[in-house]
Amino acid sequence: GQSLEQPSEVTAVEGAIVQINCTYQTSGFYGLSWYQQHDGGAPTFLSYNALDGLEETGRFSSFLSRSDSYGYLLLQELQMKDSASYFCAVRPEGTALIFGKGTTLSVSS
Amino acid sequence: DTAVSQTPKYLVTQMGNDKSIKCEQNLGHDTMYWYKQDSKKFLKIMFSYNNKELIINETVPNRFSPKSPDKAHLNLHINSLELGDSAVYFCASSRQTSRSGELFFGEGSRLTVL
Repeated sequence: GQSLEQPSEVTAVEGAIVQINCTYQTSGFYGLSWYQQHDGGAPTFLSYNALDGLEETGRFSSFLSRSDSYGYLLLQELQMKDSASYFCAVRPEGTALIFGKGTTLSVSS
Repeated sequence: DTAVSQTPKYLVTQMGNDKSIKCEQNLGHDTMYWYKQDSKKFLKIMFSYNNKELIINETVPNRFSPKSPDKAHLNLHINSLELGDSAVYFCASSRQTSRSGELFFGEGSRLTVL
């Protein structure tokens, strides 16, 4: 079957850097995606890695190692507004995007 | 203009009732989805349609019946509601067989079954 593992909670202070890890097991693999969801809101797409390496988009970066079935989301210069849940996701063969259980990030001042 | 819109946003109903949620996307996408998010925030795929054709049905009870009148609309009808159906239901869309993992989600429909 397929599974994604990520930490359930992470806490940090404003201005800090935080890394949210994700390991996955899946049949067929096209890439690893990351989503952000604020309380009461919709999940929104952050990034996608199809190939090994680091992709940077502003304060957020995402990394993938296909050989290790591992990726992470790196958030820099944390702001209060980054407090949210972060989900990694993969699309196995024959089905739609499946999501990890999410990591709740709490940023304090 | 909202890209993916769902109605209603909130639904409170009694066990045993039947209810529907509607979804529309104006992105020109071919593929639409229903996801269920439970109280622990776990997002689970329920159905997917590509160009009005059901392509994914993830072992959902047959009390749930999706319907896609055209590729811009995907509705979800639920019969004989149970307490365990209480959740937030998200509609989403993507380009056909998008491999970028980018889905566009609606704002969600929060269903509470009493």
